[in-house]
Amino acid sequence: GEDVEQSLFLSVREGDSSVINCTYTDSSSTYLYWYKQEPGAGLQLLTYIFSNMDMKQDQRLTVLLNKKDKHLSLRIADTQTGDSAIYFCAENIGNTGKLIFGQGTTLQVKP
Amino acid sequence: NAGVTQTPKFQVLKTGQSMTLQCAQDMNHEYMSWYRQDPGMGLRLIHYSVGAGITDQGEVPNGYNVSRSTTEDFPLRLLSAAPSQTSVYFCASKAAGGATSSYEQYFGPGTRLTVT
Repeated sequence: GEDVEQSLFLSVREGDSSVINCTYTDSSSTYLYWYKQEPGAGLQLLTYIFSNMDMKQDQRLTVLLNKKDKHLSLRIADTQTGDSAIYFCAENIGNTGKLIFGQGTTLQVKP
Repeated sequence: NAGVTQTPKFQVLKTGQSMTLQCAQDMNHEYMSWYRQDPGMGLRLIHYSVGAGITDQGEVPNGYNVSRSTTEDFPLRLLSAAPSQTSVYFCASKAAGGATSSYEQYFGPGTRLTVT
């Protein structure tokens, strides 16, 4: 079945770049998402990428997609303490709103 | 636009009680879905709907019922609450395919449910 895997924890220093990685199994996914969740809050859509793209850049965020290896990454440039949160990647299934989520990566930003 | 709204924000139930978690969206989205979030497990899909009158099961549907009588509302019913249903529940909505904005899926703020 479909599965999405993420590493659970990442710690970086303020001002460094953060790279959060994700692997997925469903090769028929047409697009993949990155969400951010702050403590006690809901999910905030950060960005998404179509499966026919290799890269998408949006201000400090860069998403890289390697379809051959089914690997997705989110790079945050100049990481700030306000970026501390849990980051989820998710793949869509069948364009019906069905998403399969990874377990989430907790990003800790040290001053 | 209020986006996706959920009520209540917090709820405590005793084992065996039933209740309905409310979800509404004002974006005229066709697709709506319910997820539960448990520590270390990400979000898992409970039920989803592609339009009024059409629902289907997700990964973890047991113990939950849904209906979709209007485009705006998608309530989730717990039939007989169990401690294993202690979780945070999120509702989400998304437009059907076509426009670029249809790829954006929005989540509500969540309902924290504790079953004792």
